[in-house]
Amino acid sequence: DSGVTQTPKHLITATGQRVTLRCSPRSGDLSVYWYQQSLDQGLQFLIQYYNGEERAKGNILERFSAQQFPDLHSELNLSSLELGDSALYFCASSNLPGSTNEKLFFGSGTQLSVL
Amino acid sequence: GQNIDQPTEMTATEGAIVQINCTYQTSGFNGLFWYQQHAGEAPTFLSYNVLDGLEEKGRFSSFLSRSKGYSYLLLKELQMKDSASYLCAVEGGGNKLTFGTGTQLKVEL
Repeated sequence: DSGVTQTPKHLITATGQRVTLRCSPRSGDLSVYWYQQSLDQGLQFLIQYYNGEERAKGNILERFSAQQFPDLHSELNLSSLELGDSALYFCASSNLPGSTNEKLFFGSGTQLSVL
Repeated sequence: GQNIDQPTEMTATEGAIVQINCTYQTSGFNGLFWYQQHAGEAPTFLSYNVLDGLEEKGRFSSFLSRSKGYSYLLLKELQMKDSASYLCAVEGGGNKLTFGTGTQLKVEL
């Protein structure tokens, strides 16, 4: 158990809908990262927050947004869903804002299926 | 940009040694990580290299050559439970961690 909690574990929805994925980082960790993993692609970095502030942005679509709350949990909002958004979404946490030698602790992921 | 290449899949025999290679081209370099991911599960940290050379940790070792943009993960005394995807990840400029697509390792009897 990494200490990172993601909910829900599975999510099935229809095209055009909007969903919210939730993540609670390990106790004491200030950074939260969101990654998307599709069958044919590796882990794609979406976005990172550190202590409530956006720290780094990756290949995140405009239809997607995220935020980190004062209690450090984070939410990833996916809207106007398309079939291609079906993927495993991972949240990871670390204690530092993003630096060398800082391994990430991953949650068990949310499997999103868009039908 | 970042480009990371690793073989898609490999097969090895229980008890043997296997080497999984990773080559990378990145803008900036702050370290290279290897993660293990079993199907449907979260990636878990295996190793970290920032200086050239070999880092050994039990049955797993990882090597880095920054001048060649090359790393490998060496797994010794393979066990069936080592069947998993092995992800090479590079921390480049801006402290952004970029993952390769992973190498699916199958360990057979």
